[in-house]
Amino acid sequence: GAGVSQTPSNKVTEKGKYVELRCDPISGHTALYWYRQSLGQGPEFLIYFQGTGAADDSGLPNDRFFAVRPEGSVSTLKIQRTERGDSAVYLCASSLGQGSPYEQYFGPGTRLTVT
Amino acid sequence: AQSVTQLDSHVSVSEGTPVLLRCNYSSSYSPSLFWYVQHPNKGLQLLLKYTSAATLVKGINGFEAEFKKSETSFHLTKPSAHMSDAAEYFCVVSPRGGSYIPTFGRGTSLIVHP
Repeated sequence: GAGVSQTPSNKVTEKGKYVELRCDPISGHTALYWYRQSLGQGPEFLIYFQGTGAADDSGLPNDRFFAVRPEGSVSTLKIQRTERGDSAVYLCASSLGQGSPYEQYFGPGTRLTVT
Repeated sequence: AQSVTQLDSHVSVSEGTPVLLRCNYSSSYSPSLFWYVQHPNKGLQLLLKYTSAATLVKGINGFEAEFKKSETSFHLTKPSAHMSDAAEYFCVVSPRGGSYIPTFGRGTSLIVHP
């Protein structure tokens, strides 16, 4: 079956611009996670949804970052006034339920470059 | 609070020799532990997980890991490395209660020489 998909695969934007990153989870998965992975680091948690609501957004670095999941399926991560430090690979994962022992299935990521 | 320490940033082995990737964790809750593999330009894939049953966990591609509570370790092993095992490996700790937020280690790059 179809896995987690993320679009675009690459995004280059100028400093100060607004970007949206999209995640399509596996059908039927209620939990959805966003992570940010910088070069040479492990993924860093940003936010997760259980259904439509953000169950925990404690990983969002500041108020320029926002994410939505209005119908409990597709999610969009939004970054306002981008900065060069936002450059990273943004990963999305989905799972059947929240937390362990549910396995998270990861998408291929969106590589964001802010120039 | 929880944290993960992957003790080696790079591990280099010859094909056919054993693999050992080390992971130590700390967690306020009784944790679940995972190993993920990330091949270049591919998504993260689950290798194996420990939730609360047997402490020796077998995963895909011949990998296994042993949960040792007294040592707070969850080292990943494989008896014989294959060229296709070359990748980045991440140890992950996740609480079974509370926040459910997983914490990833920094990763260990496994290099396999012919």
